Amino acid sequence: AQSVAQPEDQVNVAEGNPLTVKCTYSVSGNPYLFWYVQYPNRGLQFLLKYITGDNLVKGSYGFEAEFNKSQTSFHLKKPSALVSDSALYFCAVRDERGFKTIFGAGTRLFVKA
Amino acid sequence: GAGVSQSPSNKVTEKGKDVELRCDPISGHTALYWYRQSLGQGLEFLIYFQGNSAPDKSGLPSDRFSAERTGGSVSTLTIQRTQQEDSAVYLCASSLIAGGPTDTQYFGPGTRLTVL
Repeated sequence: AQSVAQPEDQVNVAEGNPLTVKCTYSVSGNPYLFWYVQYPNRGLQFLLKYITGDNLVKGSYGFEAEFNKSQTSFHLKKPSALVSDSALYFCAVRDERGFKTIFGAGTRLFVKA
Repeated sequence: GAGVSQSPSNKVTEKGKDVELRCDPISGHTALYWYRQSLGQGLEFLIYFQGNSAPDKSGLPSDRFSAERTGGSVSTLTIQRTQQEDSAVYLCASSLIAGGPTDTQYFGPGTRLTVL
């Protein structure tokens, strides 16, 4: 069975500071990993994904994520947070041999000016 | 179209009525997914289509829920005899093909269903 955990319901960070949103996963095979962002009353917007290759993946809006196989983690990071980054962030995983993508419960990010 | 579209954006219905939610995927995307997002919650997988076939219906909560896809494009999610616990945002996503490295799902704006 596959699963994904986002251990923090909420992350607070000051504008200009680095941010990290944590994600750990469990799959039986090799993982495909995704991050999405959801703004109020909107659908989910794709940020980035890890399929294979370089463990550091760069995505939209200056976000990046690091795949760590030994720790089964895929934390989302940004060097300098913006107030406009405040939103709900979802981590997702799919086994490379599967068809169902499992989403985490989401982490709400608040960036204060 | 440029993105996934869903209609209606909002639907208010009375308990016991049937509702139909529509999803129009990105042109050329053969896979289509339905999810449910309850208030403040994560995404609950409902069903996915590859072409017009639904290989995995395991997420449908009850036999009141059904979905179809015709012509490999538009999909309709139908909820019969709606209950208050069906109130949620229903999200649709599409991807080039189900599974594999190119299966990146792109989401529509959702339909907010309220059952009174």
